[in-house]
Amino acid sequence: SQELEQSPQSLIVQEGKNLTINCTSSKTLYGLYWYKQKYGEGLIFLMMLQKGGEEKSHEKITAKLDEKKQQSSLHITASQPSHAGIYLCGAERTGTASKLTFGTGTRLQVTL
Amino acid sequence: DGGITQSPKYLFRKEGQNVTLSCEQNLNHDAMYWYRQDPGQGLRLIYYSQIVNDFQKGDIAEGYSVSREKKESFPLTVTSAQKNPTAFYLCASKTGYTEAFFGQGTRLTVV
Repeated sequence: SQELEQSPQSLIVQEGKNLTINCTSSKTLYGLYWYKQKYGEGLIFLMMLQKGGEEKSHEKITAKLDEKKQQSSLHITASQPSHAGIYLCGAERTGTASKLTFGTGTRLQVTL
Repeated sequence: DGGITQSPKYLFRKEGQNVTLSCEQNLNHDAMYWYRQDPGQGLRLIYYSQIVNDFQKGDIAEGYSVSREKKESFPLTVTSAQKNPTAFYLCASKTGYTEAFFGQGTRLTVV
């Protein structure tokens, strides 16, 4: 089993709707990364969070890391077809700076 | 341009054959990684390396081998011991607590 669990596994939303993807760890995280992937391609970096309670935004995407640094959420406002893809959270645990593991992924489809 | 390059993009392997996937980076990153992705799944860590001549097993290392003789190169060999090698393989590199950069992947198929 993977140490990072994402929910939901897949999501279908209508264009213009908001959505949230969650990433949960059983252990305290040091660095939490969000990536987007189009099918069969490499990963595109979205955001990195390190501090408990930290929140970052880029265009219509906002990511938050909880105070305990065990859960992160990615929120998309007013979804567009260009947001479709696979969203992955990745993380390093304190003391193991180089072991970068990823979650189970969330597949997002945006309908017109 | 700095980046990370994987080759080939598509690879076909016969039963019982070893194949090697290439990963090269010119970003001067210390750490390099190999992941496996199956359809509809997330990324699973195969091996990673923090410095030259040193590497650690990830979560699914059985049936795979790596080397790190140069900082910029981290080839992955899929051996005949890997019973289900058909998958999408991704290589990444990073340095310190910064984001990882990914290659475009190699799709391996057993024929």
